[in-house]
Amino acid sequence: NAGVTQTPKFQVLKTGQSMTLQCAQDMNHNSMYWYRQDPGMGLRLIYYSASEGTTDKGEVPNGYNVSRLNKREFSLRLESAAPSQTSVYFCASSEGGFYGQETQYFGPGTRLLVL
Amino acid sequence: KQEVTQIPAALSVPEGENLVLNCSFTDSAIYNLQWFRQDPGKGLTSLLLIQSSQREQTSGRLNASLDKSSGRSTLYIAASQPGDSATYLCAAQLNQAGTALIFGKGTTLSVSS
Repeated sequence: NAGVTQTPKFQVLKTGQSMTLQCAQDMNHNSMYWYRQDPGMGLRLIYYSASEGTTDKGEVPNGYNVSRLNKREFSLRLESAAPSQTSVYFCASSEGGFYGQETQYFGPGTRLLVL
Repeated sequence: KQEVTQIPAALSVPEGENLVLNCSFTDSAIYNLQWFRQDPGKGLTSLLLIQSSQREQTSGRLNASLDKSSGRSTLYIAASQPGDSATYLCAAQLNQAGTALIFGKGTTLSVSS
């Protein structure tokens, strides 16, 4: 039982390049989330998926797109990376259909540097 | 808009000391309050979750309390150990659909031996 896994662990991009961050969970959770963590700003929600087939914007969605590929996988795409997207990205999952009523489990994070 | 504040931002204590970390939130209509631990360069690990109908939760040397009326939660760590050194984050879940966790910026704890 690996929990929440994220790939890659670290990535360097040039401004304007695109990339997809991958997240998978093996806990049969319904809800999945993408957060970014920046110094002095704390964690902020980018997008979430309350259940398979649905996605919604969080606090800071601009510049990102997501895909809930199936119940296990939730990917985050940067279409045209900008230096302001340099951050640590965390994926999380939780059990319930009405998300937030229970503990969220976090992945180890992806450290992204945009030059 | 819900805001979550954690004070102090950093705390240093000697091993064995009991300590309290504070978390305050502006909107009392929360669904639950969660405490997480984050080690440097790592993800978050859930420590305790307090539902809005509860007053406290305990796990080992950790005790978290919730007072919705005052907009406060505390995390009590008994008999601190060097292994407790980490950043502790609290997060509030609002009592409505379409929201997720609102995080504080954390308290970085250092326990010296």
